[in-house]
Amino acid sequence: GAVVSQHPSWVICKSGTSVKIECRSLDFQATTMFWYRQFPKQSLMLMATSNEGSKATYEQGVEKDKFLINHASLTLSTLTVTSAHPEDSSFYICSANYLTGTDSYEQYFGPGTRLTVT
Amino acid sequence: AQSVAQPEDQVNVAEGNPLTVKCTYSVSGNPYLFWYVQYPNRGLQFLLKYITGDNLVKGSYGFEAEFNKSQTSFHLKKPSALVSDSALYFCAVRGLYNFNKFYFGSGTKLNVKP
Repeated sequence: GAVVSQHPSWVICKSGTSVKIECRSLDFQATTMFWYRQFPKQSLMLMATSNEGSKATYEQGVEKDKFLINHASLTLSTLTVTSAHPEDSSFYICSANYLTGTDSYEQYFGPGTRLTVT
Repeated sequence: AQSVAQPEDQVNVAEGNPLTVKCTYSVSGNPYLFWYVQYPNRGLQFLLKYITGDNLVKGSYGFEAEFNKSQTSFHLKKPSALVSDSALYFCAVRGLYNFNKFYFGSGTKLNVKP
């Protein structure tokens, strides 16, 4: 089946620094990837849609200058949290659309990245 | 607008008993519905989906879901729960105009006790 990986699985950074999270589709090409944020005991909040070769589409209320997304290839999307603050601490999950048939998609999720900003 | 609702924050069931995790949907047009499971500190794993066809959909790990158009529901079921089924379960619906976009429910924590 389709596999999506994320790196790192967890990261601790100091306030004011930037941190990059990678999302890779290992055995398929993904023109579209997604970045979610999940707070404890809550659902996933879609942050942005990452489009290969073009600018990401951000959801309302998500600061695009703070959460930089780059989708440089069909298998890699990166999320950079710039000038991180403690309130950015969260579980970040990426996903990729896997085309299973005509007009049929499944979203495959990465294992997530736990970000802690001190 | 597309949306799903999971009315129960938590479901408790004894091992060996049948389990049901509820999901209702509100969509325009034909719904494309999904169930995902999340274990602690892990990403979501796909369980099953309904696109069209039989109302009873069978998925991974012995789970199944029943699509009920009149009740706008897509409840997740399993005949005999295992302790290892304890996890967080999410219902989701695919966007109507943006097929790439999925809308998730708030999640239901399933606790299976030995």
